[in-house]
Amino acid sequence: NAGVTQTPKFQVLKTGQSMTLQCAQDMNHNSMYWYRQDPGMGLRLIYYSASEGTTDKGEVPNGYNVSRLNKREFSLRLESAAPSQTSVYFCASSSVPRANEQFFGPGTRLTVL
Amino acid sequence: AQKITQTQPGMFVQEKEAVTLDCTYDTSDPSYGLFWYKQPSSGEMIFLIYQGSYDQQNATEGRYSLNFQKARKSANLVISASQLGDSAMYFCAMREAAFGNEKLTFGTGTRLTIIP
Repeated sequence: NAGVTQTPKFQVLKTGQSMTLQCAQDMNHNSMYWYRQDPGMGLRLIYYSASEGTTDKGEVPNGYNVSRLNKREFSLRLESAAPSQTSVYFCASSSVPRANEQFFGPGTRLTVL
Repeated sequence: AQKITQTQPGMFVQEKEAVTLDCTYDTSDPSYGLFWYKQPSSGEMIFLIYQGSYDQQNATEGRYSLNFQKARKSANLVISASQLGDSAMYFCAMREAAFGNEKLTFGTGTRLTIIP
C-alpha cells in the first residue's frame, strides 16, 4: 500500500516549456486534489476532483489544467511554464469529498527558469 | 482578512515540555472543520488532528489535542511531552462547508524546534 505517489520528485523547466505532474493513489479514494506550496504562504488549492469524471477549480487555477484519468490517477499539466509557477506541488486524496483527513503525496519540487 | 492566522513563525521548546501552537480563524460559515498537519524536513504532509465546528468536545489523538475555543475562533494545537521527532513545520487549516467548497485554507505555518 503505497498511499499517494507523485512523479517526478524534482523538475527544472525553462519558461514556456510544458510538463505533466503525475499523481496516483491506491486507497480507492474518490476525491483527489492538487496544491502548491510557496514559501511563507502555506498550501493553496489549484484544482480538485470530487469524484471520477469531475474536476473543479480551486483557489489558484490559472496556468494549469488537470485530468482525472481514472479513479486512481489525477494529473496536473502546465502548458506554458512561467517562473511564477516555481513551487512545491502536492497531490492529496480523501475517501470522500468532505472526509476529515486528506492523505498527501511526497511532493514535486518544480523550478521554472 | 486572513482566513487562518498562525502568529508564531518559529518556536523553540525543551524536550519533554508541552507546547501550544496558536491558530485563529475567520469564517461566517456556522459549519466548518479545522485541521492540523505536520510537515517534517522530508517534506511530506502528515495529518494530525481534526475538529468539527459542532463537536462538543476537544479533539485528541495520542499526544496531540486541539484546544478549540469557538467564541474566540481559535484552534490551538497542544503537543504533550514533546519529542525530538516533533521538530517540523505545523500548519493549521480550515474547510468551510459552503456548498461545493472543497477547499482547505492553510495558514502560513509555525516551525517548531525541539531542543534536547
